Amino acid sequence: SAVISQKPSRDICQRGTSLTIQCQVDSQVTMMFWYRQQPGQSLTLIATANQGSEATYESGFVIDKFPISRPNLTFSTLTVSNMSPEDSSIYLCSVEVGRGQGPQHFGDGTRLSIL
Amino acid sequence: DAKTTQPNSMESNEEEPVHLPCNHSTISGTDYIHWYRQLPSQGPEYVIHGLTSNVNNRMASLAIAEDRKSSTLILHRATLRDAAVYYCILRDVRDDKIIFGKGTRLHILP
Repeated sequence: SAVISQKPSRDICQRGTSLTIQCQVDSQVTMMFWYRQQPGQSLTLIATANQGSEATYESGFVIDKFPISRPNLTFSTLTVSNMSPEDSSIYLCSVEVGRGQGPQHFGDGTRLSIL
Repeated sequence: DAKTTQPNSMESNEEEPVHLPCNHSTISGTDYIHWYRQLPSQGPEYVIHGLTSNVNNRMASLAIAEDRKSSTLILHRATLRDAAVYYCILRDVRDDKIIFGKGTRLHILP
C-alpha cells in the first residue's frame, strides 16, 4: 500500500497563469502517473513519470503545457501552464507499488478552477 | 487498448448483493481484468483483478467468463458506502498504464 498526498487540494487561478501541483508518496515507487478528470467525466492519463528519465506523454498532451518533474522516488510535480478555463479539472497522481499488475494507488486530487 | 463496455448506471438496495457486468469481447491473452471504484470527491481505489480464474478478496468477488469476454464484479452485501463509479479496465501484462473507460455509477437505495 501507499499513502499519497497532493498539494494544493484545490485552487482558483487566473487565466494565463501557471500552477504547480505536488505529489508526495510515503514510500519509494518507480512508476508515477498523472491524470486529469474533467467535470462529470472519467479519468484521462496525461503522462507517466519515471525517476531519472523524461516523462512519457499520452496523445493530446505536450510537455510545454504540462511539464513534469520527478526528482526522486517519492515525489513528482505537474505544472499546468498558461491556464485557460478549459483546464478547469481535477488533477490526480497515482503510483504503482511493485511491478507487474500491482494495484495503483491514487491521491484525492487537486481541484483546479480557472477564471 | 482493448475496450470494455459497462452500463452507465445501476441501482441496488442496501444489504443486497450487487452484480456489476463488464463486456470485453476483444480481450487478448495478455490482458488482466482490473476493477477500480471512485467514491465521491476521492481518487479511485483498487478493488480487485484477475486473469482467468474467479477471484475473491475482502471487498468483492470477480467472476470471469470461461471465454474471458465478460466479467462480473460482485459486491456481496451492498452498503450505502458502496455508492460510487465502478471502472472495469483491461490492463496488458506488459503495460504499466491504466486507461479508464466511462464506468458504471452505482446507486444504493436505503
